[in-house]
Amino acid sequence: EDKVVQSPLSLVVHEGDTVTLNCSYEVTNFRSLLWYKQEKKAPTFLFMLTSSGIEKKSGRLSSILDKKELFSILNITATQTGDSAVYLCAVLYNFNKFYFGSGTKLNVKP
Amino acid sequence: EAGVVQSPRYKIIEKKQPVAFWCNPISGHNTLYWYRQNLGQGPELLIRYENEEAVDDSQLPKDRFSAERLKGVDSTLKIQPAELGDSAVYLCASSLVFGYEQYFGPGTRLTVT
Repeated sequence: EDKVVQSPLSLVVHEGDTVTLNCSYEVTNFRSLLWYKQEKKAPTFLFMLTSSGIEKKSGRLSSILDKKELFSILNITATQTGDSAVYLCAVLYNFNKFYFGSGTKLNVKP
Repeated sequence: EAGVVQSPRYKIIEKKQPVAFWCNPISGHNTLYWYRQNLGQGPELLIRYENEEAVDDSQLPKDRFSAERLKGVDSTLKIQPAELGDSAVYLCASSLVFGYEQYFGPGTRLTVT
């Protein structure tokens, strides 16, 4: 059965800490993996990854994909309270299927 | 550029009543998605449209849910009759092309009592 698993389920850190969120997948015909940030409303797009080993970076956020080991990580350095959110990964696979993981809830304390 | 628009933002109905949600995607986006999100879960795809054609409705409970996208622009999602388990946030998203960045609307929070 195809699946996308995110870990940890939740995380509490203090401002300035660095966090690493994980998304592992087992799907047929993998095409791409996307990361989204969801605060109190709609998810907003962060990164799209299709190739192994190529880091995508935006400010303090970065992400990389490992297609051999079937996972992706999202790193956030020097966390701020505004980073508090649920981080979702989604996998596009089997040519026309799209599946979201359950998310990692990040709480950054001042 | 206007984002994805959804209405209503909140809806409270009694079970067995009908309910409808409306979505206006970003102009020029051919692909439109309806998702249901339960508390603590990721969005679950209900139906995907390419223009006016429903190309993936495998997760849509067809006994009570229906959707349409007339003229390949706006879309409505209907539930009739609603059940207690339908309480969730219903999200609409659109993308220029399937598989690329999706832009989400603010969602409709449905409460069935």
